[in-house]
Amino acid sequence: GAGVSQSPRYKVAKRGQDVALRCDPISGHVSLFWYQQALGQGPEFLTYFQNEAQLDKSGLPSDRFFAERPEGSVSTLKIQRTQQEDSAVYLCASSLGQGGGNTIYFGEGSWLTVV
Amino acid sequence: GQNIDQPTEMTATEGAIVQINCTYQTSGFNGLFWYQQHAGEAPTFLSYNVLDGLEEKGRFSSFLSRSKGYSYLLLKELQMKDSASYLCAVRDPGTGFQKLVFGTGTRLLVSP
Repeated sequence: GAGVSQSPRYKVAKRGQDVALRCDPISGHVSLFWYQQALGQGPEFLTYFQNEAQLDKSGLPSDRFFAERPEGSVSTLKIQRTQQEDSAVYLCASSLGQGGGNTIYFGEGSWLTVV
Repeated sequence: GQNIDQPTEMTATEGAIVQINCTYQTSGFNGLFWYQQHAGEAPTFLSYNVLDGLEEKGRFSSFLSRSKGYSYLLLKELQMKDSASYLCAVRDPGTGFQKLVFGTGTRLLVSP
């Protein structure tokens, strides 16, 4: 597609419910990132994929968070047993290459509210 | 780790010029990015600096001084649509310069 696509755009989950957030990166982009953004803050890194390999998951806040990209294109971020502190915008981003000046393009995010 | 500092909020008038500063401390450097983010929308790429100096792109310019750990984004001929958050970000050396580390963003309000 033309840009990074994320779904759902908005999700309200009851505390304790599992959620899955989907990201379709720009076609052909090797690198894929997940970020979490709280209101009024900059995006915080969660995890990074190079093709299907998850090379960095140091930003995942707990073992309730899990991400995958099994075929090196679409990625899913799963949050188990959601808590209120998980309420945030989850941004997916992709880039054609790695590092340097390779522009990282962001999707519009999935807005998660845990009630 | 990385430390990025930028003002929380700025106000300016339509037609004016505004400069948004960003200072960073990082153990290695592989480029600095500026993004614009309107409320409820995706961050969109504005500029990338890896060498010292000024990069001009239309109404927007970005400056970098690596020795001072300092960058600024200059917005000229401000328009109402420039009201947005402006995010400064650097590549994190700890992961082979793959991920971006962001500042908290500067919320710019342009008034008539």
